[in-house]
Amino acid sequence: EVQLVESGGGLVQPGGSLRLSCADSRFNSSLYWMNWARQAPGKGLEWVANINQDGSESYFVDSLKGRFTISRDNAKKSLYLQMNGLRAEDTAVYYCARGRDMAVWGQGTTVIVSS
Amino acid sequence: DVVMTQSPLSLPVTLGQPASISCTSSQSLVHSDGNTYLNWFQQRPGQSPRRLIYHVSNRDSGVPDRFSGSGSGTDFTLKISRVEAEDVGVYYCMQRTHWPLTFGGGTKVEIK
Repeated sequence: EVQLVESGGGLVQPGGSLRLSCADSRFNSSLYWMNWARQAPGKGLEWVANINQDGSESYFVDSLKGRFTISRDNAKKSLYLQMNGLRAEDTAVYYCARGRDMAVWGQGTTVIVSS
Repeated sequence: DVVMTQSPLSLPVTLGQPASISCTSSQSLVHSDGNTYLNWFQQRPGQSPRRLIYHVSNRDSGVPDRFSGSGSGTDFTLKISRVEAEDVGVYYCMQRTHWPLTFGGGTKVEIK
């Protein structure tokens, strides 16, 4: 049973922007911290960012600060990742995951940055 | 950043035999609140990650009891008591004691 569904991925040119979404179909996600993680082709997992229950706290991996923004809309049970200034090295499958210990993951959405 | 080092990188195992994966952190993972936030994930081919173990040794719901986690401080282990075909995939440890959260590089489990 799919609980978290990511969307918004696609092909974008270097320097472009994308907004990823993660919809929680089952739980009241407002009770949980939410995360974004990514996996470049053939590589391991990398944590990207997370946000607390009411959106008042968020944290990023240092290398992405200033280019990516995380937000959430609890009324819509949705999590977002705004990605600006995209680079080839941002090409990856992006996953959302629920909870500080990432108990549940979505199926991922693919972002390809290429001209 | 806390570096998580897994070994081996690749683990060929005979069906029904045990397997063990090591994860070593560059700093102690004991949090100031006394807990140790070390988790294990399984990623089967073509699938998204699935958490198996949280906080060193707590098995997630639905995870077979052939999986177990142990360790403390900087040294942790994931054990599979008897490997089954469905266990093929890549296994990752992850810490969230320290910011930023960091994953190990992964251990690929395959059947001999």
